[in-house]
Amino acid sequence: NAGVTQTPKFRILKIGQSMTLQCTQDMNHNYMYWYRQDPGMGLKLIYYSVGAGITDKGEVPNGYNVSRSTTEDFPLRLELAAPSQTSVYFCASRARTGQETQYFGPGTRLLVL
Amino acid sequence: KNEVEQSPQNLTAQEGEFITINCSYSVGISALHWLQQHPGGGIVSLFMLSSGKKKHGRLIATINIQEKHSSLHITASHPRDSAVYICAVNGNQFYFGTGTSLTVIP
Repeated sequence: NAGVTQTPKFRILKIGQSMTLQCTQDMNHNYMYWYRQDPGMGLKLIYYSVGAGITDKGEVPNGYNVSRSTTEDFPLRLELAAPSQTSVYFCASRARTGQETQYFGPGTRLLVL
Repeated sequence: KNEVEQSPQNLTAQEGEFITINCSYSVGISALHWLQQHPGGGIVSLFMLSSGKKKHGRLIATINIQEKHSSLHITASHPRDSAVYICAVNGNQFYFGTGTSLTVIP
């Protein structure tokens, strides 16, 4: 299994541009998450999904959108990128049962200039 | 105030030392996780705990549910243990501490 994969690894955007961060997992996990990690700060939950077709907002959803059309994929869309969205983005997944550990992707480093 | 607090924020140790990282949380949880973030940025899960103690190699994690506190211990520390260690809890959502940056010097 590849686990959780994310693309791209690194991206520079201009203010106002849009992009999609891709996340795919091959473990048939129901739960998927998007986090951002800012320097010196803990991970913050942006959006999460408990299964295909179901998404919900996390702690910091403004400026982002998600979709979950399949179990495997959970893309994160940035519309009108802003410098405040400069961060490292991590996708994670876990199985349905309540206490399963999360598996993290390698992260996408985004710089908005 | 953060739901998860870790201490210390930074820690430097000599190779071979016994290391303890602490985590306190303020929300009801079903489980607590210790994560390791390597200098390259990747995050791996070390432990998931809901009670008691777990051991994996030189790493030991304990949790006291009544006191809402967990500790991560590293015995016989080694330079390859240098990383950021993150405490996270399953409350009504996942909450993360800001991490403890550990540097082990040869």
